[in-house]
Amino acid sequence: AQSVTQLGSHVSVSEGALVLLRCNYSSSVPPYLFWYVQYPNQGLQLLLKYTSAATLVKGINGFEAEFKKSETSFHLTKPSAHMSDAAEYFCAVSDVKGGSARQLTFGSGTQLTVLP
Amino acid sequence: DAEITQSPRHKITETGRQVTLACHQTWNHNNMFWYRQDLGHGLRLIHYSYGVQDTNKGEVSDGYSVSRSNTEDLPLTLESAASSQTSVYFCASSESGQETQYFGPGTRLLVL
Repeated sequence: AQSVTQLGSHVSVSEGALVLLRCNYSSSVPPYLFWYVQYPNQGLQLLLKYTSAATLVKGINGFEAEFKKSETSFHLTKPSAHMSDAAEYFCAVSDVKGGSARQLTFGSGTQLTVLP
Repeated sequence: DAEITQSPRHKITETGRQVTLACHQTWNHNNMFWYRQDLGHGLRLIHYSYGVQDTNKGEVSDGYSVSRSNTEDLPLTLESAASSQTSVYFCASSESGQETQYFGPGTRLLVL
């Protein structure tokens, strides 16, 4: 069974400060890992994904995440927060089910607030 | 442009009524998924389909059903709506063998 734990349901940072959103996973097989972002009243958009290539993954809007197998972590970072980054962020893990199709298991989400 | 749409976007219903939420995608994806989103739980998988006539139960399938008669649509039916099914529902799709899922805008359902 796979699971995802996101530490901190709410994170506040000042505009221009470092953003760090934490994600730890458990998986019985080599995982694929994802970060999605959800803006108010919208669906989820893919920020970035790790699929067993480079361990440092760059995504959209200046975000990146590093896969650390020894720590079972996939933390999301951005060097300098912008007001437009305020949203809810979901970490997800995927494994193989029924052949090549993959299902996602989501963490409970982290609400990011950016303070002026 | 290809897209995934959900309707209605907002729905209020009464306990015991049958409700159907629509999901339509134009990417020709074989895989389609239904999730519900609740505070503190993230997104939880209700049902999924890997192709026409294929449906499977997810983590929280009790009280829900789906059918897949074509590639584009996966309607979600609440057989007898309960207050515990008040939630935001998201549909998603992905290509066969691909891990990235694309999400619709969501349907906000209130069961009174």
